[in-house]
Amino acid sequence: SQELEQSPQSLIVQEGKNLTINCTSSKTLYGLYWYKQKYGEGLIFLMMLQKGGEEKSHEKITAKLDEKKQQSSLHITASQPSHAGIYLCGADKSDQAGTALIFGKGTTLSVSS
Amino acid sequence: AAGVIQSPRHLIKEKRETATLKCYPIPRHDTVYWYQQGPGQDPQFLISFYEKMQSDKGSIPDRFSAQQFSDYHSELNMSSLELGDSALYFCASSLWGDLAYEQYFGPGTRLTVT
Repeated sequence: SQELEQSPQSLIVQEGKNLTINCTSSKTLYGLYWYKQKYGEGLIFLMMLQKGGEEKSHEKITAKLDEKKQQSSLHITASQPSHAGIYLCGADKSDQAGTALIFGKGTTLSVSS
Repeated sequence: AAGVIQSPRHLIKEKRETATLKCYPIPRHDTVYWYQQGPGQDPQFLISFYEKMQSDKGSIPDRFSAQQFSDYHSELNMSSLELGDSALYFCASSLWGDLAYEQYFGPGTRLTVT
């Protein structure tokens, strides 16, 4: 079965610093999705990547999917306290219609001011 | 815009008791997914339903059952609760055939088993 491995597990950065979170899949991805979760709360969808080499940005967050579609990175520029939370990468469980999601174990980001 | 509604938001039960979690999908969404997220863990897929039929099954224990009703809301029934069942239970909804990222997640129900 497919697995997603995230690194690092946790990250503490000073406000204003840049950071990168990685997500590696054991199999070629149909789609790779990034979510943010505040502790004990629901998942907020951030971005979706489907094509090899694809890169998307929203405000200060940029996500990339490598050409082989097995690795993605999430980069935050000039981090702010509002970026703190748990970042999860997600992927399709299968290529079937109505497929569920599988997730990485998450990266806990703390931003110190 | 209406979101996925889950009730209750918090639930405390004792070991061996039963619990029922409810999920009300976004209007017109016909597919419901249940996920379990243990403390410090990633969400794990439990089960999904489309048009009241089970569409996929994940790591749902035999002690749990779920169903989807004609108004598309879904209920997760949990019996003989164990301490290890303490977790955040998410429901997500989508239109059948939508890509996985188009699942909209509810706020979750936090179940604590003591």
